[in-house]
Amino acid sequence: DVKVTQSSRYLVKRTGEKVFLECVQDMDHENMFWYRQDPGLGLRLIYFSYDVKMKEKGDIPEGYSVSREKKERFSLILESASTNQTSMYLCASSLWTAGDNNEQFFGPGTRLTVL
Amino acid sequence: GQQLNQSPQSMFIQEGEDVSMNCTSSSIFNTWLWYKQDPGEGPVLLIALYKAGELTSNGRLTAQFGITRKDSFLNISASIPSDVGIYFCAGPAGANNLFFGTGTRLTVIP
Repeated sequence: DVKVTQSSRYLVKRTGEKVFLECVQDMDHENMFWYRQDPGLGLRLIYFSYDVKMKEKGDIPEGYSVSREKKERFSLILESASTNQTSMYLCASSLWTAGDNNEQFFGPGTRLTVL
Repeated sequence: GQQLNQSPQSMFIQEGEDVSMNCTSSSIFNTWLWYKQDPGEGPVLLIALYKAGELTSNGRLTAQFGITRKDSFLNISASIPSDVGIYFCAGPAGANNLFFGTGTRLTVIP
């Protein structure tokens, strides 16, 4: 069974703290993605990665960075957390494709609260 | 830029009723995906459509790929309480990425 896991389901941090969100997939997928989800705004892409050590900015990368040192692991980093980064964070993975078969598989999400 | 409009934004229905929701795109898609997100969980893929006019079922769910390739529809028959959640449509956004609709939040009243 395909699986994407995220290190925490709930996280509470203070403003200014450095925050690491970890995501691991066991499907040998090339692509991995980080989204944030806010009421009324749907899913917004923060960063994605097509391969180890590769990263691409999504629609809202400001205030975030990522790391992909191993194929199965994609980390999202908040260098200095702010209250406007309180959100649900979703990780996803997919096989690399030259066509339009872009099915992504999601983790359970991390609900981050920044106080 | 690309726009993906999903409607309705929310629905309140009685258990046993049928549900219809749709998604329209400002450009042609070659794939339509439908996801469901249970409260507090990540989205799960329900149905994938790859051909214009295609009609695909998954249990009580049926999805259609519109002939114009700019729209897709999801129907749920005989709704039950566990159908509650947010339903998202999605389509390709360049190589290996997806656009997501803003979701339809479904509430089923027992």
